[in-house]
Amino acid sequence: TQLLEQSPQFLSIQEGENLTVYCNSSSVFSSLQWYRQEPGEGPVLLVTVVTGGEVKKLKRLTFQFGDARKDSSLHITAAQPGDTGLYLCAGEKTSGTYKYIFGTGTRLKVLA
Amino acid sequence: DVKVTQSSRYLVKRTGEKVFLECVQDMDHENMFWYRQDPGLGLRLIYFSYDVKMKEKGDIPEGYSVSREKKERFSLILESASTNQTSMYLCASSLSSFSGNTIYFGEGSWLTVV
Repeated sequence: TQLLEQSPQFLSIQEGENLTVYCNSSSVFSSLQWYRQEPGEGPVLLVTVVTGGEVKKLKRLTFQFGDARKDSSLHITAAQPGDTGLYLCAGEKTSGTYKYIFGTGTRLKVLA
Repeated sequence: DVKVTQSSRYLVKRTGEKVFLECVQDMDHENMFWYRQDPGLGLRLIYFSYDVKMKEKGDIPEGYSVSREKKERFSLILESASTNQTSMYLCASSLSSFSGNTIYFGEGSWLTVV
């Protein structure tokens, strides 16, 4: 079974700080997605990365797909309270009939 | 906007009861999914469906069944609820199986089995 490990599991930081969340696997993925889930809601897609080494930016969020397409990172610059939530990575498997496996999640709390 | 609607947000059921969780999507998506979300375990796939009346088991199908009689509707059934099925259940849909498709989630159904 393919696994996606996220670290850290929990993160509590002050407004304005920077942080990085990691998503790691021993398996290769066709693509990788990052979702954010707010309390009481379902996850919402932030970004999809497809090419090894790809970097995508979404305002203060920077996403990188590892060169070997086995891992990814999410970096947030100058975190704000509105960034609070559960961040999930999802890897698209290279084979099989259903595509995505989800990481274990990183719960971020940004304090004002 | 794509909308995935789960009929029940909060349910409390007794052990042994039959439980139905309903999900409807409004974007003519081919694929529909039921996930279970537990702290520290991420989202685990219970069942998915890639067409009407078609279904495949995910990673944790035991104790669950599903029904997809119409393209827009995907139901999760707990034949005899047990306390270890207390969890948050998320329904989702995606357009097709092509690479990079967005998965759209419902708001979730919190089920407590007592």
